[in-house]
Amino acid sequence: AQSVTQLDSQVPVFEEAPVELRCNYSSSVSVYLFWYVQYPNQGLQLLLKYLSGSTLVKGINGFEAEFNKSQTSFNLRKPSVHISDTSEYFCAVSANTDKLIFGTGTRLQVFP
Amino acid sequence: EAEVAQSPRYKITEKSQAVAFWCDPISGHATLYWYRQILGQGPELLVQFQDESVVDDSQLPKDRFSAERLKGVDSTLKIQPAELGDSAMYLCASSLDRGNTDTQYFGPGTRLTVL
Repeated sequence: AQSVTQLDSQVPVFEEAPVELRCNYSSSVSVYLFWYVQYPNQGLQLLLKYLSGSTLVKGINGFEAEFNKSQTSFNLRKPSVHISDTSEYFCAVSANTDKLIFGTGTRLQVFP
Repeated sequence: EAEVAQSPRYKITEKSQAVAFWCDPISGHATLYWYRQILGQGPELLVQFQDESVVDDSQLPKDRFSAERLKGVDSTLKIQPAELGDSAMYLCASSLDRGNTDTQYFGPGTRLTVL
């Protein structure tokens, strides 16, 4: 079975600073990895996904993530955050079924 | 841009009452998912449909929860009777086809509060 661990429940950062949200996964088979963002009282929106190929994946809103197979990680990064990036971020994994397994989320709080 | 529609957005009910949630997926999407998201946690899949057929309902509490997608388009999730522990956000998502690389598009959710 697959599992996802988001190591930080909250990440505070100042506006225009860089940020990295950590995600580790566990699986005995090859996986596909996703990052979603959830704005208050809304559904989830896909930021980016890793299926195969280049380990550096670029997504929307200036976010990118790097797949590291040896460390079983898929960390989300942004070089310069905005106030509007304040939200909840979820890492998710799927493997040999199309069932998405989500982490518990990381709350990114951007301060002016 | 096409979106997944859900209603109602908010629902308050008393314990032991019946509640129902509705979802209209993006037009043409064959696969529909219902997730439950408890406060402070990630979404957990309750049931997955491929067209009108249930593909996975292993996490659906079948003694009180039921779901249907009669014509393979919109779907209804029902809880009867509701319990205090059912308070959560119920999210509907759809994808073009079945497959673990397909993007799932989420609706805004229904927030259920059971008193």
